Amino acid sequence: DAGVIQSPRHEVTEMGQEVTLRCKPISGHDYLFWYRQTMMRGLELLIYFNNNVPIDDSGMPEDRFSAKMPNASFSTLKIQPSEPRDSAVYFCASSSGLGPSEQYFGPGTRLTVT
Amino acid sequence: AQTVTQSQPEMSVQEAETVTLSCTYDTSESDYYLFWYKQPPSRQMILVIRQEAYKQQNATENRFSVNFQKAAKSFSLKISDSQLGDAAMYFCAYRRVRRGKLIFGQGTELSVKP
Repeated sequence: DAGVIQSPRHEVTEMGQEVTLRCKPISGHDYLFWYRQTMMRGLELLIYFNNNVPIDDSGMPEDRFSAKMPNASFSTLKIQPSEPRDSAVYFCASSSGLGPSEQYFGPGTRLTVT
Repeated sequence: AQTVTQSQPEMSVQEAETVTLSCTYDTSESDYYLFWYKQPPSRQMILVIRQEAYKQQNATENRFSVNFQKAAKSFSLKISDSQLGDAAMYFCAYRRVRRGKLIFGQGTELSVKP
């Protein structure tokens, strides 16, 4: 299996622009997670889906952030409008169930907002 | 709210020696999962080892083992016969049973000296 796939790997954009991050989970996994990593706040969960339905979005910072999962093999995280404080590494992860199963992480997208 | 604390921002070990990374957590739950993830400079998050709280036996994966002290809410990682490839940031993480959210500590950066 190719693992969790994220695109782009790097994104540089100007403040005010819309940014869309993409994720393809591992085939057969029914849970998908979006995490953000910053120096100040560390790794934190933004939102997660089960069978394409959002389950917990309490970590989404504000209305500028939105996430969708239109089907089992694709999810997006959108920031509109972007701000410099959104600069971070955004990880997508997927898992099979909520037992002790591992969450497999993608390589992350490094977002820089200037 | 659950929290995870890693009190050692940086650690260093000589190649072939043993090192222990500390982690404490706070929870009122009796059943949960604990994980150690490794993040090398490539930033890929890699699961090192996991522990189910209801299991008294400490988990072991080759050179990696944990010391799980449930009453003390402590979950340390021991790396034996350290190798240059072990150099990375190590994150301790907690997850409630039947919940998807991983709660991470701030990380410990491990360097391995040849």
